[in-house]
Amino acid sequence: DIQMTQSPASLSASLGETVTIECRASEDIYNGLAWYQQKPGKSPQLLIYNANSLHTGVPSRFSGSGSGTQYSLKINSLQSEDVASYFCQQYYNYPYTFGAGTKLELK
Amino acid sequence: QVSLKESGPGILQPFQTLSLTCSFSGFSLGTSNMGVGWIRQTSGKGLEYLATIWWDDDKYFNPSLNSRLTVSKDTSNNQAFLKITSVDTADTGTYYCTQMPGDWFAYWGQGTLVTVSS
Repeated sequence: DIQMTQSPASLSASLGETVTIECRASEDIYNGLAWYQQKPGKSPQLLIYNANSLHTGVPSRFSGSGSGTQYSLKINSLQSEDVASYFCQQYYNYPYTFGAGTKLELK
Repeated sequence: QVSLKESGPGILQPFQTLSLTCSFSGFSLGTSNMGVGWIRQTSGKGLEYLATIWWDDDKYFNPSLNSRLTVSKDTSNNQAFLKITSVDTADTGTYYCTQMPGDWFAYWGQGTLVTVSS
């Protein structure tokens, strides 16, 4: 299975700040990567697919980048509603695998 | 708009079979390249991919649970189904069904909590 390693595990940031979350795959996943946001008590929601494509309805302050084994999710101008956990997921190979998550809190 | 909802037993005993239903609207499993994926979230393993059933009845199962999983669909009634045999406490968690217009999980149901306890 492809292992997905996310960093940091937790993050504290101020409103208006730019935040970056990293995800490293154990092998090249050729941009087969998605990012999800999960708010407390809610189901995950897709933010980004194909490493850099914004899902319908997702604010443009979210963006994804990367290639090979290294990918990142950037949140520009952090808003209070962005407080959540964020997960990466690879779908280049079965079985699809997820990162352990990054918990984002407000400073 | 796309909507999915899982339903299940809530609580079951070890060695029983877990049966889950996913009822959805806003898309069809008769559409080319469409799939329904099943994922669970447990305290032990976090988010774990379980299985996918595709529009053409192709199926994929996570090898870690392969022999215990069954997926099926009722295209006419917009439903998909997941069964897990011989459950134990490690199967306790929240189970989600998702719409898969590609290999990513575009829309998720609200999840159903499954507790395995004697």
